[in-house]
Amino acid sequence: EADIYQTPRYLVIGTGKKITLECSQTMGHDKMYWYQQDPGMELHLIHYSYGVNSTEKGDLSSESTVSRIRTEHFPLTLESARPSHTSQYLCASSQNSGPGRSPLHFGNGTRLTVT
Amino acid sequence: GQQLNQSPQSMFIQEGEDVSMNCTSSSIFNTWLWYKQEPGEGPVLLIALYKAGELTSNGRLTAQFGITRKDSFLNISASIPSDVGIYFCAGQNGGSQGNLIFGKGTKLSVKP
Repeated sequence: EADIYQTPRYLVIGTGKKITLECSQTMGHDKMYWYQQDPGMELHLIHYSYGVNSTEKGDLSSESTVSRIRTEHFPLTLESARPSHTSQYLCASSQNSGPGRSPLHFGNGTRLTVT
Repeated sequence: GQQLNQSPQSMFIQEGEDVSMNCTSSSIFNTWLWYKQEPGEGPVLLIALYKAGELTSNGRLTAQFGITRKDSFLNISASIPSDVGIYFCAGQNGGSQGNLIFGKGTKLSVKP
């Protein structure tokens, strides 16, 4: 039962287009994350948020941006998509006590292909 | 930055066999987590470990938090075809960000 929803599941788009990946959670979690994952590879943190109006850069540099206007919503935007952005993007959330005591819950991801 | 070394990278086993995988790090972690990811899905938490030396089971899965706090292992007993997937370890060090560091994953294939 998914309490964290990502749309779209799959997106194929041309170079230069602006895209927004949606992520919503219904668990009332304060902390939300975006990870980038190439197929079969490890997850890299690109953005996270402690709560409304909080956004932080993750360990992996990314040209994407995020916003957190509502607790339940954490969209990711690419202003001008490039083939190098082709990857799977996973959204996750946890209580603000940290991902250890409140483990991350992941969405099913958006698989992005930029042609 | 911090890295987790997860091994093996992949495993091909027969149904009914036991499986063991592990993660090591040069850094100390306060928490170890084990996730499983199936194709087209997000990772799902299997086991969380919060204390050095802790041994925790979840059905056929058993995981341990190493005494040195720099390693953890996951065992799966009597594997079945639905165990197929990629298993990731993740560590948290409780630093200023407290974010998780993920291993590269162990891809498990089970032959019926």
